[in-house]
Amino acid sequence: RKEVEQDPGPFNVPEGATVAFNCTYSNSASQSFFWYRQDCRKEPKLLMSVYSSGNEDGRFTAQLNRASQYISLLIRDSKLSDSATYLCPHTGANSKLTFGKGITLSVRP
Amino acid sequence: NAGVTQTPKFRILKIGQSMTLQCAQDMNHNYMYWYRQDPGMGLKLIYYSVGAGITDKGEVPNGYNVSRSTTEDFPLRLELAAPSQTSVYFCASSYPNPSGNTIYFGEGSWLTVV
Repeated sequence: RKEVEQDPGPFNVPEGATVAFNCTYSNSASQSFFWYRQDCRKEPKLLMSVYSSGNEDGRFTAQLNRASQYISLLIRDSKLSDSATYLCPHTGANSKLTFGKGITLSVRP
Repeated sequence: NAGVTQTPKFRILKIGQSMTLQCAQDMNHNYMYWYRQDPGMGLKLIYYSVGAGITDKGEVPNGYNVSRSTTEDFPLRLELAAPSQTSVYFCASSYPNPSGNTIYFGEGSWLTVV
């Protein structure tokens, strides 16, 4: 099983829609989780951390489900500028950081 | 704040040539990583380092070498360039904090092997 797997996507939604996607991790001992955003031909950048109690940042809500070993990202009121690839890194043994393929979101007018 | 600096940004290599991608960070981070990203694909870990003098293989290390003689620098060496190494290369660094590692990426190095 891969260390991290993401919803296959791509996701294509109209402006204003609510969209959610998940990232499943295999290491049950993982302690820290994040969502990163990558724009086309750019480097990934931190979007938000994911805390056990769930956390919200404006239109973005991140949640952690330890029992089912996945994290989720919910985007409300999608904007054109939300179009990007969303990544969830996995921290394995000895701080080995790996990424899944990413989830591509396209928001259309 | 320079953060993570990669050079060169663009490079064209001929098959069989060698080159070194430079990566430097000024944040005193112990952990550094090299990834490659092929078009439409995710980030693949090539090598990583948890501190000066320590390096480990990632998912796709073949054809590459690294060294970590200082905390700041983590160069990636391609010895015999092959077309399969055409990709975008990202260097990253991180530091551990109570919430886990926060990762900072360089802007990427675009490499074409012809």
